[in-house]
Amino acid sequence: DSGVTQTPKHLITATGQRVTLRCSPRSGDLSVYWYQQSLDQGLQFLIQYYNGEERAKGNILERFSAQQFPDLHSELNLSSLELGDSALYFCASSVDLAGGRETQYFGPGTRLLVL
Amino acid sequence: AQSVTQLGSHVSVSEGALVLLRCNYSSSVPPYLFWYVQYPNQGLQLLLKYTSAATLVKGINGFEAEFKKSETSFHLTKPSAHMSDAAEYFCAVSSDTGRRALTFGSGTRLQVQP
Repeated sequence: DSGVTQTPKHLITATGQRVTLRCSPRSGDLSVYWYQQSLDQGLQFLIQYYNGEERAKGNILERFSAQQFPDLHSELNLSSLELGDSALYFCASSVDLAGGRETQYFGPGTRLLVL
Repeated sequence: AQSVTQLGSHVSVSEGALVLLRCNYSSSVPPYLFWYVQYPNQGLQLLLKYTSAATLVKGINGFEAEFKKSETSFHLTKPSAHMSDAAEYFCAVSSDTGRRALTFGSGTRLQVQP
């Protein structure tokens, strides 16, 4: 158990809909990362938040957005869903050591299926 | 820009045999390198990481990896495979300048035959 929790575990929805994925980081971790894992794209970084502020963006679509709340939990919002958005979405958290060498601890993921 | 190439999407070994999973990286700045393992229907678990200290890094479950700058490699090895090692393994890179998020390789699925 990494200490990172994600809800829900599974999500089935229809094209055009909007969903929210939730992540609670490990106690004391200020950074939250979101990654998408799909068969065709592999594991891709989407976005990072640090202590409530957006720190870095990766290959995140404009239809996707995220935020980190004062209690440090984070939500990833996916809207106007398409079939190709079906994937496993991971959240990871880390302390923010200088230099980027910190370990990212991954949650169990949310499996999204868009029908 | 940083990238990671994992040679071999599938590797099959016999129980008790040597495990060798290959990873080559590309980075314009000194890299930090990681190996993660993903068991079916689970998240990613860190096996080991290189952060510019010792070039031979020991991790959990008997795995180790050696950072070779001249070869831009960070191959993962285990002397004797166990059935429980069957999983998908991901090599990843980050750095202390530019992007600190992990850039992952495409993964290698390890099968262990009895």
